[in-house]
Amino acid sequence: DQQVKQNSPSLSVQEGRISILNCDYTNSMFDYFLWYKKYPAEGPTFLISISSIKDKNEDGRFTVFLNKSAKHLSLHIVPSQPGDSAVYFCAASELVKLTFGGGTRVLVKP
Amino acid sequence: NAGVTQTPKFRILKIGQSMTLQCTQDMNHNYMYWYRQDPGMGLKLIYYSVGAGITDKGEVPNGYNVSRSTTEDFPLRLELAAPSQTSVYFCASRSRGGRTGELFFGEGSRLTVL
Repeated sequence: DQQVKQNSPSLSVQEGRISILNCDYTNSMFDYFLWYKKYPAEGPTFLISISSIKDKNEDGRFTVFLNKSAKHLSLHIVPSQPGDSAVYFCAASELVKLTFGGGTRVLVKP
Repeated sequence: NAGVTQTPKFRILKIGQSMTLQCTQDMNHNYMYWYRQDPGMGLKLIYYSVGAGITDKGEVPNGYNVSRSTTEDFPLRLELAAPSQTSVYFCASRSRGGRTGELFFGEGSRLTVL
């Protein structure tokens, strides 16, 4: 029973274009949603988050949108850069625990 | 500026052997976690701790044990290693007052059981 799902295992985008990553969840008790970025042989690093009471949060090239009624969130990266090539994990927080999705591998082509 | 430190980075075990993955953090974080990541998959929570002397099971605790005798250290013990425990293990921590639930991760420990 996956509470957090990322249905696209991979995404390829041209440098300078927009990358859109999607995430769905089932648990209405999640209070924060986070995106993590992971390079090979490294631990995940925090990218951006959004509270369950908001619908948008922006940080530079990264914007996260939350649609609570649809239990859906997305991460927009604009413009995409080659250094953004990595695996992106969606995660959701309930009290002290963080539940992760399966990840989306993003490849930004120069 | 060490953050979360895991040792060893790599280890090969034979079936039935035991070992301990070490994790220490220098950020005075109350909460600590162990996750595993199987190839092409997301991270699954094994165990977590909200403070010294307090531990609790996550999604996939079978075959593992933890202890939390200090705020800094959170070792993960594998007893009777099995091939299904071949994975990359990540330790993470966060502060109790963290505003977003953000976890800080170590670099991971790659374990192979043959």
